Amino acid sequence: QVTLRESGPALVKPTQTLTLTCTFSGFSLSTSGMCVSWIRQPPGKALEWLALIDWDDDKYYSTSLKTRLTISKDTSKNQVVLTMTNMDPVDTATYYCARIGLVRDAFDIWGQGTMVTVSS
Amino acid sequence: SYVLTQPPSVSVAPGQTARITCGGNNIGSKSVHWYQQKPGQAPVLVVYDDSDRPSGIPERFSGSNSGNTATLTISRVEAGDEADYYCQVWDSSSDHPGWVFGGGTKLTVL
Repeated sequence: QVTLRESGPALVKPTQTLTLTCTFSGFSLSTSGMCVSWIRQPPGKALEWLALIDWDDDKYYSTSLKTRLTISKDTSKNQVVLTMTNMDPVDTATYYCARIGLVRDAFDIWGQGTMVTVSS
Repeated sequence: SYVLTQPPSVSVAPGQTARITCGGNNIGSKSVHWYQQKPGQAPVLVVYDDSDRPSGIPERFSGSNSGNTATLTISRVEAGDEADYYCQVWDSSSDHPGWVFGGGTKLTVL
């Protein structure tokens, strides 16, 4: 069974750096075709893709946020980490990690999400 | 960057057919994926590659894609289908390829 779980702080202050961890099971990120991505959703708003890392350690970032994002993986720990610098209240959202696995370019399994509030 | 346009809302009576559109420039040349998101829950993939269904998704969910519009069709709509639906594509057309979501459509079952 494939599962993903997000973890990180529920509250961060403006200008701080957010670090989120996605811990997954049921697949290996060293397997060809496997990818893990981060997607966020502000309250009441649409999904927004942020970043993705693939089995070959290639990394992709949202054009609008690429200067603030860093994605990395620890294959031995089955974890993917996202850092976002210079947090702002507009970054308040539920952050999801999701897998691309069985279907190319589609997110077939999602974590439950973690809510992050940016406030002083 | 590539833009996907969805109607904010669609309403349908139980037992009827709901059609949710997703517009994009020459979207027919891309693979479109659809997600269902119920309140307080993570999205779930319901249609991939325009018209295929993951295991466990009812046959009532189907999709099509041609020209500038992709469509998610839900037949014999049930109260449990009430949710937000998002389309998504992989855009490789720019210098910075990425994954793109539509703005979402709220399906209301009357």
